[in-house]
Amino acid sequence: EPEVTQTPSHQVTQMGQEVILRCVPISNHLYFYWYRQILGQKVEFLVSFYNNEISEKSEIFDDQFSVERPDGSNFTLKIRSTKLEDSAMYFCASSESSSGANVLTFGAGSRLTVL
Amino acid sequence: QQQVKQSPQSLIVQKGGISIINCAYENTAFDYFPWYQQFPGKGPALLIAIRPDVSEKKEGRFTISFNKSAKQFSLHIMDSQPGDSATYFCAARPGGYQKVTFGIGTKLQVIP
Repeated sequence: EPEVTQTPSHQVTQMGQEVILRCVPISNHLYFYWYRQILGQKVEFLVSFYNNEISEKSEIFDDQFSVERPDGSNFTLKIRSTKLEDSAMYFCASSESSSGANVLTFGAGSRLTVL
Repeated sequence: QQQVKQSPQSLIVQKGGISIINCAYENTAFDYFPWYQQFPGKGPALLIAIRPDVSEKKEGRFTISFNKSAKQFSLHIMDSQPGDSATYFCAARPGGYQKVTFGIGTKLQVIP
């Protein structure tokens, strides 16, 4: 069964450092997303990406965050200057379409710990 | 108005029993209501979903009941099994948008 793969599975970083989280979406999917889950809290939408541009973003996705599809397969989330409150599990997801019963397929997540 | 309120946050059910998780929303623009199941160390996985034009959807042991006028929907797991032990999230998405709003999650434990 096709899956979304994410790397690294766990990253520990110092506050103020830049972090890049990587994702390989399912190959025939056109829409890509990042969500995050702070420990013990709900899953929160960060951003959606289609046709090489951001199509939607939440209020959480401020100027310290950016996304990129540097090649035909990877989708990355960059956090420019990490803060303690960025510690969370970051989930990448992809879908074939954005409407109808658009089934989001999530990766296993990248756990970010900011010290 | 964008929130999806979910209860209970934790649930313990005997094997063979019925697990019921409830959600409520305010935003009438929501037109798609999925439920996700998450096992430890894994990402959420779509379990079952419903649109507001139907009041119930059943897939195997899993049933969504939807009450449009009350803006409530619930997940029923019949004949609950220890393998169903996971965290369940209700969610909602407004028509024409991609953002899915999740509930806080319900940690279900099915005991033998």
